[in-house]
Amino acid sequence: DTGVSQDPRHKITKRGQNVTFRCDPISEHNRLYWYRQTLGQGPEFLTYFQNEAQLEKSRLLSDRFSAERPKGSFSTLEIQRTEQGDSAMYLCASSLGVQIYEQYFGPGTRLTVT
Amino acid sequence: SQQGEEDPQALSIQEGENATMNCSYKTSINNLQWYRQNSGRGLVHLILIRSNEREKHSGRLRVTLDTSKKSSSLLITASRAADTASYFCATWSGVDTSGTYKYIFGTGTRLKVLA
Repeated sequence: DTGVSQDPRHKITKRGQNVTFRCDPISEHNRLYWYRQTLGQGPEFLTYFQNEAQLEKSRLLSDRFSAERPKGSFSTLEIQRTEQGDSAMYLCASSLGVQIYEQYFGPGTRLTVT
Repeated sequence: SQQGEEDPQALSIQEGENATMNCSYKTSINNLQWYRQNSGRGLVHLILIRSNEREKHSGRLRVTLDTSKKSSSLLITASRAADTASYFCATWSGVDTSGTYKYIFGTGTRLKVLA
């Protein structure tokens, strides 16, 4: 068990560019979550998957944001036409199930949009 | 206000003292979880308390839950400099106005333990 990994750890991009982040969950976990966190705030829920099915998607996840988990293993989060307001830490987590199971978080991808 | 709100927002204590932080939430819950976040280890799960439990202990941590007041508290006893971190409560919300069922973190309490 190597924990949840995220790649890249840091991303600097220019406004208007597209970016894609990857998350590799703990192998036996069927739930995978994406959050966004800005300085001084708690993580904000974006979306979550059970296996390959996307079960919930927050309104925060605008049309510019999309997430996939094609084979029920790793997941990608894509942001199209980035804006400066997208600058944040993007966190991924995984769990064995929902509700009573704790979530294990990755180190995050810090996005800076210039 | 948000589903989870911690109080106080910031707390500074001396090593060896106890630290208490509180969390309030709005909807009915099945359980509530506490997490710690620091720069070294990221976001880490500390403890889960179910809605039918009133108190739970884990090492130096004591969590209480009062579902009638929709509140929880986290007590860290005999604090250490290594406890310096932000602490968040988190719960699954009810279905909101957009029809989304989501996991909500509070705003966090920033704890600083002085050596």
